[in-house]
Amino acid sequence: QKEVEQDPGPLSVPEGAIVSLNCTYSNSAFQYFMWYRQYSRKGPELLMYTYSSGNKEDGRFTAQVDKSSKYISLFIRDSQPSDSATYLCAMRHGSGNTGKLIFGQGTTLQVKP
Amino acid sequence: EAGVTQFPSHSVIEKGQTVTLRCDPISGHDNLYWYRRVMGKEIKFLLHFVKESKQDESGMPNNRFLAERTGGTYSTLKVQPAELEDSGVYFCASSQAGGPGRAFFGQGTRLTVV
Repeated sequence: QKEVEQDPGPLSVPEGAIVSLNCTYSNSAFQYFMWYRQYSRKGPELLMYTYSSGNKEDGRFTAQVDKSSKYISLFIRDSQPSDSATYLCAMRHGSGNTGKLIFGQGTTLQVKP
Repeated sequence: EAGVTQFPSHSVIEKGQTVTLRCDPISGHDNLYWYRRVMGKEIKFLLHFVKESKQDESGMPNNRFLAERTGGTYSTLKVQPAELEDSGVYFCASSQAGGPGRAFFGQGTRLTVV
């Protein structure tokens, strides 16, 4: 069983829609939760960074962490064609501020004009 | 400020040959990580350097892979001899010693072994 599960999609939505992306995980030691965006042939770009449970908002993006359910989400409001990319969730243990990231497989999102 | 830079962007080699990938982290970042993504799979951790020391090499697949970080600056990842299953995209990431530990990724090196 993978430590982090993420539906690879693809997910196709019309411009302006609210997008919900999710990951589940099995390791309760994870304390840091991240969402990366990756455009084709580029490296992952850090979008959201959350420690422990709760919500974090940045512009049109909201990240939620529910540690009791081992479930994290990324919401994108008013989605734009430029949001079309692969979204990767990543996590790491809580021991210090370094350490390897465990990634989900990534969800491919297409926002149609 | 320059980001994480990787060379080459793409490499095609024959099975049995040697390839060396290079990563230049963000200046001042003590932590340097190597990751790999093979087709259809998730990005997987290979190795973590703190300055010039290997902190965690639990993800290195076998002894055909050798990573070095000279003087705690740039890093190289050598694959010798390359096998078909080594094909994939190799990412490098770096983060500061202090702070929250946000990792910034390079654009990756796409390795194709034929």
